[in-house]
Amino acid sequence: GENVEQHPSTLSVQEGDSAVIKCTYSDSASNYFPWYKQELGKRPQLIIDIRSNVGEKKDQRIAVTLNKTAKHFSLHITETQPEDSAVYFCAAYSGGSNYKLTFGKGTLLTVNP
Amino acid sequence: EAGVAQSPRYKIIEKRQSVAFWCNPISGHATLYWYQQILGQGPKLLIQFQNNGVVDDSQLPKDRFSAERLKGVDSTLKIQPAKLEDSAVYLCASSPRFMNSGGTDTQYFGPGTRLTVL
Repeated sequence: GENVEQHPSTLSVQEGDSAVIKCTYSDSASNYFPWYKQELGKRPQLIIDIRSNVGEKKDQRIAVTLNKTAKHFSLHITETQPEDSAVYFCAAYSGGSNYKLTFGKGTLLTVNP
Repeated sequence: EAGVAQSPRYKIIEKRQSVAFWCNPISGHATLYWYQQILGQGPKLLIQFQNNGVVDDSQLPKDRFSAERLKGVDSTLKIQPAKLEDSAVYLCASSPRFMNSGGTDTQYFGPGTRLTVL
């Protein structure tokens, strides 16, 4: 089955700095890679996603890059703000008949004012 | 658009007791998922329904966990009997996708049920 590794597990940055979270996946058939933000005690919320036919996608201060050859994808947050503080999860969507979403273990991002 | 609804939000039980969780997905969503999220980890898929049929329950501990989605809309997840290690948040999610239809893969999560087993 699919295995998703996520690094780092914790990340602390100063407000205004950039933050980068990296994930690797094992199943070459995976074709969809969403990123979720989860604030303490709340539901995971989709913040950006990328499909396997695209190398990069941006949405304001958030961008995701995908390297299919190396089987890794990254989340980039620029001009970080205190409200960006949360746990971020990457995930990979396996192909085949079941379309299973496998999550990484999460990165706790803290943005210090 | 109403989101995914779950109840109860919190539940505390003794080990060996039974518990049931309820989920109502976004209207029209064909696929429904139950995840277990242990503190400090990412959600782990327990079971996936396509309408009222199970398409993946490979990670569901079937000796104690069961789930159903009888009319292809809302769903219940049951644990009987509960163990200490079942303490977790149980998340329900739904997506519009039909298998092989080319529909969106985006999953929308409910607020979760936090289960504490004492």
